[in-house]
Amino acid sequence: DGGITQSPKYLFRKEGQNVTLSCEQNLNHDAMYWYRQDPGQGLRLIYYSQIVNDFQKGDIAEGYSVSREKKESFPLTVTSAQKNPTAFYLCASSRNRGAGADEQYFGPGTRLTVT
Amino acid sequence: DQQVKQNSPSLSVQEGRISILNCDYTNSMFDYFLWYKKYPAEGPTFLISISSIKDKNEDGRFTVFLNKSAKHLSLHIVPSQPGDSAVYFCAASRWAGGTSYGKLTFGQGTILTVHP
Repeated sequence: DGGITQSPKYLFRKEGQNVTLSCEQNLNHDAMYWYRQDPGQGLRLIYYSQIVNDFQKGDIAEGYSVSREKKESFPLTVTSAQKNPTAFYLCASSRNRGAGADEQYFGPGTRLTVT
Repeated sequence: DQQVKQNSPSLSVQEGRISILNCDYTNSMFDYFLWYKKYPAEGPTFLISISSIKDKNEDGRFTVFLNKSAKHLSLHIVPSQPGDSAVYFCAASRWAGGTSYGKLTFGQGTILTVHP
């Protein structure tokens, strides 16, 4: 059945290391998104991509990078430049019907802890 | 600048009663609104949405009301069940075409607890 997978569920890294979070979807969605959630806060948009080989910065893109080489995959790299990388990271996807917004479907999330 | 606000961090309701979750927005360009439900350590799941051309949308126990003049929307859950206990996020979007398409702006969330 279709869905979004994120791996791993928990990730631990030492400060100063880059780390890449995986996101794969088999919903045939054109658009994909990365959010982070911090305690007591809503979801904040990091990067999004409407089509393959194209992506845009969200509200908090500094210290992150992405690629969109395949429709199904949208990996997020948390670089050593990200000052507060410890957070819960959520990937989402949606159809791009060209007229109006559409609901986004979320993966289960990856909890990243950097020490 | 918080464009979407959920001013109540938490709400506690008795099973069988109505739960009302509120959300305010400041950007008058928003024209599509959604509610998501989230359990701990999981991704949010879509609940219900409403377009700005409507003022009410109903789906089973869930009804969303939109008051455009007040820039306010609310989610009503009737009757509330213990399984509804979760964090509820409202989100808003504007269709501007081009690169702005599909972006959602989320509120901070409201923790709903339904007591048996």
